[in-house]
Amino acid sequence: DTGVSQDPRHKITKRGQNVTFRCDPISEHNRLYWYRQTLGQGPEFLTYFQNEAQLEKSRLLSDRFSAERPKGSFSTLEIQRTEQGDSAMYLCASSPQSITEAFFGQGTRLTVV
Amino acid sequence: DAKTTQPTSMDCAEGRAANLPCNHSTISGNEYVYWYRQIHSQGPQYIIHGLKNNETNEMASLIITEDRKSSTLILPHATLRDTAVYYCIVSGGGSNYKLTFGKGTLLTVNP
Repeated sequence: DTGVSQDPRHKITKRGQNVTFRCDPISEHNRLYWYRQTLGQGPEFLTYFQNEAQLEKSRLLSDRFSAERPKGSFSTLEIQRTEQGDSAMYLCASSPQSITEAFFGQGTRLTVV
Repeated sequence: DAKTTQPTSMDCAEGRAANLPCNHSTISGNEYVYWYRQIHSQGPQYIIHGLKNNETNEMASLIITEDRKSSTLILPHATLRDTAVYYCIVSGGGSNYKLTFGKGTLLTVNP
């Protein structure tokens, strides 16, 4: 499968714990995006990378959130000191140079208990 | 802030054409109209996009009005597998790096 891969697919964690998600984009896609989706809502933009550079961060991305994309390949999204409000589906997408056609992964569903 | 307005839900009979409307009256000249869909428990899937001309691909057709203030996504022969939330998105210009999703239209294809 050459699509966008996300790991894990599901994560249950206790409030206050740290979690890290991984995204492997389609190879040779320069751009990588993270979105968050809560129940009944459309996905919300969190951040995007062009190669290894993080070029835009939404104000939704509080200081407890950090994303990296070392060497412009895979990306990680870490949430520190998780809160119940962080429970959501975290979606990763990648695209060639422009947003024209973004390919989304299956997402990581986070449940904070 | 959502730039598009879509009906909350629509029904369609299997085998018939599904026509999904979208209003985007504040669209700028350099912004494109994108359509994505999301089948339950999956990530969004790109369908089609356009600037001002009508577009067609293997999945759907996109009809954009001459004033660009509205558009219609057409699924010519809907199947049960087309049941999904359909998102109409306006993006481009200085924000060509992100998609702003609204709540979309839940299309239910009935047998």
